Amino acid sequence: GAVVSQHPSRVICKSGTSVKIECRSLDFQATTMFWYRQFPKQSLMLMATSNEGSKATYEQGVEKDKFLINHASLTLSTLTVTSAHPEDSSFYICSARRGTELNSPLHFGNGTRLTVT
Amino acid sequence: GENVEQHPSTLSVQEGDSAVIKCTYSDSASNYFPWYKQELGKRPQLIIDIRSNVGEKKDQRIAVTLNKTAKHFSLHITETQPEDSAVYFCAASRYTGNQFYFGTGTSLTVIP
Repeated sequence: GAVVSQHPSRVICKSGTSVKIECRSLDFQATTMFWYRQFPKQSLMLMATSNEGSKATYEQGVEKDKFLINHASLTLSTLTVTSAHPEDSSFYICSARRGTELNSPLHFGNGTRLTVT
Repeated sequence: GENVEQHPSTLSVQEGDSAVIKCTYSDSASNYFPWYKQELGKRPQLIIDIRSNVGEKKDQRIAVTLNKTAKHFSLHITETQPEDSAVYFCAASRYTGNQFYFGTGTSLTVIP
């Protein structure tokens, strides 16, 4: 089955610093990847759609300059949380669909637990 | 855009009983409906999905039904076991949109 790898699984950083999260599709090419944020006991909130070779599409209310997304290749998307603050502490999950499959399911990474102190 | 509603938010059942989770969607163009199971601190895992040209799909103890006219779909788990305890999310998407819209989740607890 499709595997999506996400690193790191946990990160603790100080307020004001930046954190980069990587999302890789290991056995398929993903022209599109999705970044979600999940608060405790809540649903998955789509933050942005990462498109290979072009700019990401951000959902309403998500700051582009704070959550930088780069999709440099068909197997790698990165999310950088810039100038992190305690309110950015959350569970971030990436997901991807196989490149050309129609109506194919999302495959999720393991998630990254970010704690900003 | 699409709006997916999911009920109930919490559900407790005795081991061996059945559990039913229901979702409704608003966009008639949605044509793919997956269900995900998420255990605490882990990634959501696809457990079953259904496409709009099918009314029902079953995989062992899990089944999903779809009513396109009413725009609702349901997850049925029979003979529940303690390891079924998790949060379940429904989702809807359409080919042309390439986005998934998730329900708010149902926390299922199976009591031994």
